[in-house]
Parts: sequence; structure tokens; C-alpha cells
Amino acid sequence: GESVGLHLPTLSVQEGDNSIINCAYSNSASDYFIWYKQESGKGPQFIIDIRSNMDKRQGQRVTVLLNKTVKHLSLQIAATQPGDSAVYFCAENSGSARQLTFGSGTQLTVLP
Amino acid sequence: KAGVTQTPRYLIKTRGQQVTLSCSPISGHRSVSWYQQTPGQGLQFLFEYFSETQRNKGNFPGRFSGRQFSNSRSEMNVSTLELGDSALYLCASSLVGPATRSGANVLTFGAGSRLTVL
Repeated sequence: GESVGLHLPTLSVQEGDNSIINCAYSNSASDYFIWYKQESGKGPQFIIDIRSNMDKRQGQRVTVLLNKTVKHLSLQIAATQPGDSAVYFCAENSGSARQLTFGSGTQLTVLP
Repeated sequence: KAGVTQTPRYLIKTRGQQVTLSCSPISGHRSVSWYQQTPGQGLQFLFEYFSETQRNKGNFPGRFSGRQFSNSRSEMNVSTLELGDSALYLCASSLVGPATRSGANVLTFGAGSRLTVL
């Protein structure tokens, strides 16, 4: 079956550095991908999404890259701040843009 | 505008009991989805409701059920609770219809209901 996985369960970066969180997916039919951020005690919060007809999309301090050839996407966070500390999930649609298959998450820790 | 509201935030039940969780979506959002989040299995899709009808269902036993009311509010029920049902249950709402801009149909999650089964 389809699955979405993450390369690293934890990532520590210095404040001000750039962060890169990676994600692999297995379903070549996936056409919509989304990144969520979950802080302790809160629900997942939308960061950015990308459709399969694009390979890059930028938001405020974040960029998502999609490589369909190797079924890989990444989330880049520029000038990482303490408030960026959270668990980051990638997700892909499963036939419906509202039914998402989530990866296991990466815990990002920003060091002072 | 107000976000997705879930009640109760925390609850403790014992094995064999049942539980009902409530979700109020963002005003104007007509689709409500439920997810279960556990340390071992991560975030897993339970079901989605739109116009009071279940549209999609995840791979969960029949003990897990839900419904949606005419005002789009939703409830989920878990009967005959098991220890493994301990989890954070997340509700998410979304607009339905053609996306006019990226993100228009993304899921907006509530803070969740933390269920502990003893």
C-alpha cells in the first residue's frame, strides 16, 4: 500500500540557520502534497502545499521542493527561529484532497 | 474567525465504555474529517463527512463511528473502548468546491481530544 516516510525522526539546527526536512512517498499516483507543523498540545497547522504539476513552491520563509522522479519532497525553512520548533509532517492525498496519508513526522529543535 | 473547536479536550475512560467526541468546524466549512494520532501509528484517517453523509472511511473497526449534523457540526463515537484506543483524536474541517487558490481546500485542524483508556 501507499506510505509516506521521513528520512530523520529528529533534526536540530542553530537559530538563524536554514532547515531542511525530507520526506519520501511511495504512491506514484499522488498528486497533492502538504506540509503541516504541530506544536506541543496543538493540532497540525498548515504550512504549505504543492501539486504534482509543480516542482517548487515558496511561501513566507518556507520552500517546498518536489521531485517526482525519485518520489521525494522537502521542506526548507529559512533563518530558522525558536518558534519553528515543532514536529513537521508531510502528507499526500489518497484519492481525495481532504483524505491525507501522513508521514511519521520530524521533530525540529532550534538551538539558541 | 473562530477555528475548529473540539470538546472535550481531555477525558479518561475505562475499557468497555463508550465515548462521544464533538467537533465544530470553521464557519462555512462543510467537510469534517477525523484523524487518530498515536505515538506508534502516527496520524491515521478515520472518516470524512460532508452534507451529513460519510464520504470516506479509513481502516478502523466498526466500533468507530461518526455523524454530521445539518449545521456541519460532527461527532464521533467509539464503543467498547480498548486500551489501544488511547490517542489524540483530531477533527479537521475544509471548504468543499473548486479551489480558487492554493490552500483553499486544505484541512484546518482543531486542538484535538485527548482520550485515555484505563
